[in-house]
Amino acid sequence: NAGVTQTPKFRVLKTGQSMTLLCAQDMNHEYMYWYRQDPGMGLRLIHYSVGEGTTAKGEVPDGYNVSRLKKQNFLLGLESAAPSQTSVYFCASSSPGRMGETQYFGPGTRLLVL
Amino acid sequence: RKEVEQDPGPFNVPEGATVAFNCTYSNSASQSFFWYRQDCRKEPKLLMSVYSSGNEDGRFTAQLNRASQYISLLIRDSKLSDSATYLCVVNQGTGGGNKLTFGTGTQLKVEL
Repeated sequence: NAGVTQTPKFRVLKTGQSMTLLCAQDMNHEYMYWYRQDPGMGLRLIHYSVGEGTTAKGEVPDGYNVSRLKKQNFLLGLESAAPSQTSVYFCASSSPGRMGETQYFGPGTRLLVL
Repeated sequence: RKEVEQDPGPFNVPEGATVAFNCTYSNSASQSFFWYRQDCRKEPKLLMSVYSSGNEDGRFTAQLNRASQYISLLIRDSKLSDSATYLCVVNQGTGGGNKLTFGTGTQLKVEL
């Protein structure tokens, strides 16, 4: 099993450009999450999904959109990138219930917005 | 006040030493508690869950004090490979989806 994979691993964007980050998991998890990690800020939840076709806002959703068309995939979109969105983005997945509180993370995507 | 607070460190300790980290959380209704480990430029991975009665996994011991709202992690006989950032993580039980709140992490450096 590959676990949680993310593409791309690294990307440089110019201000105003758009891009989509792809997350895929092969563990049949119901729940999926997108986080950003910045120095001194810790991991902050952007959006999450509790099932195929459903998404919800997290702590810092502005400037991002998400879609969960298939259970195994969770896409994060930046419509018009800003330098403030320079960060490391992590995707994670988990199962429902107390036994599912462990979140499994992908390797991350490093995004630089110039 | 941050929801989950940790001393960022770094804690520089010699190999074989015992080191302890503390973490405080603000939401008294928080349900579950964890320690995650994050190596440099890598993703976080679960180290251990923290139970009310305290729990041990080899050289690692985690404790929870609900009355004072803090969590601790003790590492005995530190190894060079223990060098990493340790994240205190809380499930506040709000809004479903098993959402977790992460502390900013405590950096540990184990030296020869």
